[in-house]
Amino acid sequence: AQSVTQPDIHITVSEGASLELRCNYSYGATPYLFWYVQSPGQGLQLLLKYFSGDTLVQGIKGFEAEFKRSQSSFNLRKPSVHWSDAAEYFCAVAPRGNEKLTFGTGTRLTIIP
Amino acid sequence: KAGVTQTPRYLIKTRGQQVTLSCSPISGHRSVSWYQQTPGQGLQFLFEYFSETQRNKGNFPGRFSGRQFSNSRSEMNVSTLELGDSALYLCASSSGGTLNNEQFFGPGTRLTVL
Repeated sequence: AQSVTQPDIHITVSEGASLELRCNYSYGATPYLFWYVQSPGQGLQLLLKYFSGDTLVQGIKGFEAEFKRSQSSFNLRKPSVHWSDAAEYFCAVAPRGNEKLTFGTGTRLTIIP
Repeated sequence: KAGVTQTPRYLIKTRGQQVTLSCSPISGHRSVSWYQQTPGQGLQFLFEYFSETQRNKGNFPGRFSGRQFSNSRSEMNVSTLELGDSALYLCASSSGGTLNNEQFFGPGTRLTVL
């Protein structure tokens, strides 16, 4: 069965510092990969996705993610965080051609001034 | 384009009751998926409907059911509510073609079971 691991439950970074959120997946074949963000009381917003091709994916709000097949990882990065980036971040996978998303447990991001 | 809407936003029920949640997808989207979000279990897939047919199903008991109408609106029903059913229920819509499509999420319905 496919699974997604986000090893960091909570991360605190200073405003303006760089950010990397980790995501590892377990799946027989390369799935579709996603990062979503959830602000308190809100639904999920897609930050970026990887289907195929270039392994460095650019998303919204200045985020990027790199797919590394050898490490089964899809880590999310941002060079300089803003206070408005404080939220919960979810990595997700889906089998190719299937709408069913499997989510990681999420990483809560706190930004300090 | 209007986003995914879910009604009601908040709901309080007691154990043993049943509840129906509604989801209106983005215009033109034919796939609607439902997810349950709890602090303990995280985000879990319930089911997906495409063109009025259940296309995918997660590992939830039969008390959880759904349907989709010809206008792609979807409802989710939970019968014989249990305390553990307290959760944020999210629905997501996509165009639902053969290639995986971006899913757009609604704000969710917060269900509290007392």
